[in-house]
Amino acid sequence: DGGITQSPKYLFRKEGQNVTLSCEQNLNHDAMYWYRQDPGQGLRLIYYSQIVNDFQKGDIAEGYSVSREKKESFPLTVTSAQKNPTAFYLCASSLGETGLAGELFFGEGSRLTVL
Amino acid sequence: RKEVEQDPGPFNVPEGATVAFNCTYSNSASQSFFWYRQDCRKEPKLLMSVYSSGNEDGRFTAQLNRASQYISLLIRDSKLSDSATYLCVVNGATSGTYKYIFGTGTRLKVLA
Repeated sequence: DGGITQSPKYLFRKEGQNVTLSCEQNLNHDAMYWYRQDPGQGLRLIYYSQIVNDFQKGDIAEGYSVSREKKESFPLTVTSAQKNPTAFYLCASSLGETGLAGELFFGEGSRLTVL
Repeated sequence: RKEVEQDPGPFNVPEGATVAFNCTYSNSASQSFFWYRQDCRKEPKLLMSVYSSGNEDGRFTAQLNRASQYISLLIRDSKLSDSATYLCVVNGATSGTYKYIFGTGTRLKVLA
């Protein structure tokens, strides 16, 4: 079945540590996204990528980094510079074709807790 | 003003009731509109795309009002399983960069 796989589902981190969240898709989508969700808030865009080897900062990119070396993979690193990293992280993808934007497909999410 | 606004609720309704949510958006150039459903501690899942002519899928009806810049979701004959948060999503791009703007969601509780 086609879809988006995020791992790990739950992650605990000590302050000062970097962590990397994995996101893999087999939908052959060009565009991939990382969102952060906090209680009572909407999804906020961290980074997005429309093509391999290219990515753009979203609204809250500070303290995060990404790479897009392969079409199917878009890992997110939460660095120690991120002041409040405890959150639910969602990876998504879309076809990314020109014209009207299509729907977003989401992975199951990764819940990061900083101890 | 937020780019996409929703009443957070919760909307508490009895089983079998009809309930409607609205979502307003500020960018008049927005082209694509969606309703997603999100269960507690889960990922959002597409409920419906919203087309200019309106669209219906079983008990769910979505409509777009470009003049007043809002979209709506109507749920008829509510079921207990409809209890969830409903997210309004708007995309303003016509090509190239895709920026999806999410509302904070409207929480629905269907009561037995």
